[in-house]
Amino acid sequence: RKEVEQDPGPFNVPEGATVAFNCTYSNSASQSFFWYRQDCRKEPKLLMSVYSSGNEDGRFTAQLNRASQYISLLIRDSKLSDSATYLCVVPFSGGYNKLIFGAGTRLAVHP
Amino acid sequence: EPEVTQTPSHQVTQMGQEVILRCVPISNHLYFYWYRQILGQKVEFLVSFYNNEISEKSEIFDDQFSVERPDGSNFTLKIRSTKLEDSAMYFCASRGDRVGYTFGSGTRLTVV
Repeated sequence: RKEVEQDPGPFNVPEGATVAFNCTYSNSASQSFFWYRQDCRKEPKLLMSVYSSGNEDGRFTAQLNRASQYISLLIRDSKLSDSATYLCVVPFSGGYNKLIFGAGTRLAVHP
Repeated sequence: EPEVTQTPSHQVTQMGQEVILRCVPISNHLYFYWYRQILGQKVEFLVSFYNNEISEKSEIFDDQFSVERPDGSNFTLKIRSTKLEDSAMYFCASRGDRVGYTFGSGTRLTVV
């Protein structure tokens, strides 16, 4: 099993749609999780942290299922500006906390 | 908002040449990292640096790579003899003790 696995997409959705991305991780000891957003040829930027069962921030909701080692990101009322690649990221559970990145899910929101 | 600054933004070099990628992390951060992303692929960990020494490195970070924090502010990644497959975006990142990661905007390295 890959350390962090995501559906690569692309997800092509109209403005206003609700879209959900999934991510599975292999290290059952992982305690915290992140969703990052990456625009083309730019640096990853933190979108949300997920520390317990879930987290909500405006149109974005992240959920964690520890038993299934599964994280999801839900985007409601998609905007054109949401078009990007969404990276599922898991800190390696060691002292220096390197980040393990998924390959990303590409989202394209169209008018 | 504090930033991690990387220079240059784009570097073109000939195969076999040495390159140095520069980063200025956030001043009160303690942990420093280099990641790379080959075009179309995922972001990969290269090396972490703490207390003036390498704390962890990946299989990618072989003898051709080195890191330095020469003056307490800059954090550099050197590739001694570049190969075509070193072409990638290189991201520097730093974090504090209880503060999350901040990534720099990256250096795009093109080896020709």
